[in-house]
Amino acid sequence: DTAVSQTPKYLVTQMGNDKSIKCEQNLGHDTMYWYKQDSKKFLKIMFSYNNKELIINETVPNRFSPKSPDKAHLNLHINSLELGDSAVYFCASSQGARGETQYFGPGTRLLVL
Amino acid sequence: ELKVEQNPLFLSMQEGKNYTIYCNYSTTSDRLYWYRQDPGKSLESLFVLLSNGAVKQEGRLMASLDTKARLSTLHITAAVHDLSATYFCASTPYSGGGADGLTFGKGTHLIIQP
Repeated sequence: DTAVSQTPKYLVTQMGNDKSIKCEQNLGHDTMYWYKQDSKKFLKIMFSYNNKELIINETVPNRFSPKSPDKAHLNLHINSLELGDSAVYFCASSQGARGETQYFGPGTRLLVL
Repeated sequence: ELKVEQNPLFLSMQEGKNYTIYCNYSTTSDRLYWYRQDPGKSLESLFVLLSNGAVKQEGRLMASLDTKARLSTLHITAAVHDLSATYFCASTPYSGGGADGLTFGKGTHLIIQP
C-alpha cells in the first residue's frame, strides 16, 4: 500500500523540453506539496496545495506549474527545461493544520542534458 | 524568513558511541521535525515535536525541543551501523497558517563504523 506515489521515478530529457511529474496520495490528506532536492541534498519547498488551492508559491520560475485535479493528486509541469532543473523532486502530503507530519513520496530524479 | 541550521553537517562515529546532532532555527516556531534519508531514497519521518520541552524516543534515537532557545537535539545512543543515513531537521514559521511548507536544515550525514 503505497501512501504517496510519484511517476516517473526517473526522467532524462533534453534542454528545452516540457515534462510532467505526477503525484498521488491515498492517505486521505487535504494538503500536498512539491519539494526540490538539489545535488547538495538541500531541500526546498516549491509549492503547497490545500484542498486544491495553491497556498505557497515560493520563488520558483513560472516555467513550473502545479496542477491539482483533486485532493489526492498534485502534478508538476515544467516547461522549457534547463540544466539547473536537474534535481530530485519530492511530493509530500499532510492532513489538516500545520504541525501534522508530512509524508514524502519516493522522489522523481530529473536529469536535463 | 525562517532559517534552520544543523551541526555537524558530517559525522563519522564508531558503533557503541553516543552523539548528538543540533538543530537551531531563527524565528519563533513551536514545530520541529526530524527526518531520515537513506542514499537514493525518500524522507522518512522520525519525530514531530510540537511543544516546548517535548521529548520523543524511538529505539536508539531521542529528540527534544527547546522553543525558548530555538534548539532541537537528536541524540543517538550506542550507535549501530544501521543508523548510518542523512538526518534532516525542519521547521515551519509560527505565524504560518495551514499548509506550511517545511524549511529544512542542510542535513547531517552520519556514518557509523564498526
